[in-house]
Formats: sequence, structure tokens, C-alpha cells
Amino acid sequence: RKEVEQDPGPFNVPEGATVAFNCTYSNSASQSFFWYRQDCRKEPKLLMSVYSSGNEDGRFTAQLNRASQYISLLIRDSKLSDSATYLCVVNKAGAGSYQLTFGKGTKLSVIP
Amino acid sequence: GAVVSQHPSWVICKSGTSVKIECRSLDFQATTMFWYRQFPKQSLMLMATSNEGSKATYEQGVEKDKFLINHASLTLSTLTVTSAHPEDSSFYICSAGGPLSQPQHFGDGTRLSIL
Repeated sequence: RKEVEQDPGPFNVPEGATVAFNCTYSNSASQSFFWYRQDCRKEPKLLMSVYSSGNEDGRFTAQLNRASQYISLLIRDSKLSDSATYLCVVNKAGAGSYQLTFGKGTKLSVIP
Repeated sequence: GAVVSQHPSWVICKSGTSVKIECRSLDFQATTMFWYRQFPKQSLMLMATSNEGSKATYEQGVEKDKFLINHASLTLSTLTVTSAHPEDSSFYICSAGGPLSQPQHFGDGTRLSIL
């Protein structure tokens, strides 16, 4: 099983649509979880951290299920500017590790 | 504004050349920095962990003699790709961050093309 696994997409959705991305991770000792977005030929930028209780930031909602080792990202009311690759990111080992493991990313294209 | 600066952003050079990439933390001290590599349509792969004042820790399969890392100060880490060849062409990104619960900040990345 890959350390961090995502559906590569692409997801092509119209403006205003709601889209959900899923991610699974293999290391049950992982403690930190993030969603990053990466635009073409650019560095990753943090979108949001993911907390056990779930968290929301505007149109973005992240959920974590530790028992299933599953992370999700929901984007509501999609904008054209949301088009990017979304990276599921998990810290590499147990608590105390700063190292991150990246999924391959899910590509989103929001269409006018 | 940027908290991690990476330079240069783009390098094109001949095969056999050595290339140095700099990564600076701008407004915080980073005892640990990370170097990643990303090939087209692939995920970021951790190459090595750069530790201030000590040797870097390399991931399995990464040649330490080819990818030299120096972390001489709390704000600067350098990656030197020695005798680069076309297969070393990639997007190299550094990151630095704080405690476990805080996210990493990434540099802008360096696109390396070896002819």
C-alpha cells in the first residue's frame, strides 16, 4: 500500500459545483495532516491543516478519520481559481517527525 | 510574503556541470530543512533532511555524493547537484518549518534542465 494514496483525477467540474477529494494513508502513527494546492510548475502552498474534529475554512472543509486512515477535502461553490492539483500530505513517521509524505495529487479543473 | 526563499528559480546547463541551489528561511531560524524533487506528473519525493551543523540524512536511493547538502547556518541550506546529467533534470524544492503541528513553508522551487 502506498504511503499516501489519492485519486489522480482529473476532476472536471462546472463553476459552482461541489467536489470532494479523498485520500488514504498507510502509517497509523502519523499525527499531522494537511491539504496543499499546487499550481502548474509552482511550489505547493498550504491550503489547510486537517484536525480530528474536522475543520472548515470558507468554502473548504477537511475531515479526518483516524480509524480508517482516511482524509477528505470538500470544496463548495467551485471557482475558476480553484483549478489546481490538490495534494494530500501526511507527516512521515510517528510524533516528532517533521518529514512529510505527499500524495501524487488530484487534479481539479473548474470549467466556466 | 515569502518565508522561505529559494535561488535560482531556473537553471539550464550542460551535462557534467555542478549546480548549487540555495534555500533560505527569511524570518525564522530553521535547524531542519528538507529537500524534495518532483518529476513531471509525480508527487514530491523527499530527498534528504538537512540538519544545521551536522550531516544531512538522505532517503533511500538518493546518492549523498551526488547531492551534496550543506546547512552551515540557521537560515541557509544548500543543495549541490554534482556532475549533473539529463536524468537529474527535475523540479527541486526546499522547505522549512516549525514544530510538528505547524506546516512546512516551501521555497519557490528550482527548475533544473540539464542538456
